[in-house]
Amino acid sequence: EIVMTQSPATLSVSPGERATLSCRASQRISNLAWYHQKAGQPPRLLIYGASTRATGIPARFSGSGSGTEFTLTISSLQSEDFAVYYCQQYDKWPPAYTFGQGTKLEIK
Amino acid sequence: QVTLRESGPAQVKPTQTLTLTCTLSGFSLSTSGMCVSWIRQPPGKALEWLGMIDWDDDKYYSTSLKTRLTISKDTSKNQVVLTMTNMDPVDTGTYYCARSMSSSWAFDYWGRGALVTVSS
Repeated sequence: EIVMTQSPATLSVSPGERATLSCRASQRISNLAWYHQKAGQPPRLLIYGASTRATGIPARFSGSGSGTEFTLTISSLQSEDFAVYYCQQYDKWPPAYTFGQGTKLEIK
Repeated sequence: QVTLRESGPAQVKPTQTLTLTCTLSGFSLSTSGMCVSWIRQPPGKALEWLGMIDWDDDKYYSTSLKTRLTISKDTSKNQVVLTMTNMDPVDTGTYYCARSMSSSWAFDYWGRGALVTVSS
């Protein structure tokens, strides 16, 4: 089973600054997505295919990486971006999904 | 407009069976490429994928939970049903259903979730 490890666990950043979140897979993967989740709400898809923004996601969100190392960058943090961020990988066979443990992005 | 809505009991007793229903709107699970998964989240913890059913009625389950899970669909009612047996207090959490498509495999629409507490 593939294990997804996110770092850091908590990231403190000031509004307007850049945030960089990391996700590492225990073995090479080909399908990675990023979500954020605010308290009391379901997760929202931000990025799929490692670097493609989902519908309606602002351009300040960008994803990169391949193989086992992936990054989500938020170029200029807005107040609504402070949330918990999850990476998620997908195995095509047998079909299975694995989430990381999350990174909490908090206001500095 | 695509929506998913979970429904079911808010509380079950240990050893009982949980049955949750996900009602779909704005899309059909009979459309090629469509999938619906169940995902849960214990209070304050990370997301855990439980299983998935696809447009062709194929089902896939988490390795660690597969002996306790059954997912089925009723296309005429546009519903997906999750059954989890032998519930335990550690199964307490919010249960989500979410849509994915084979074009991206990511969960693009989620229900609001159903909080299930396992307690005697």
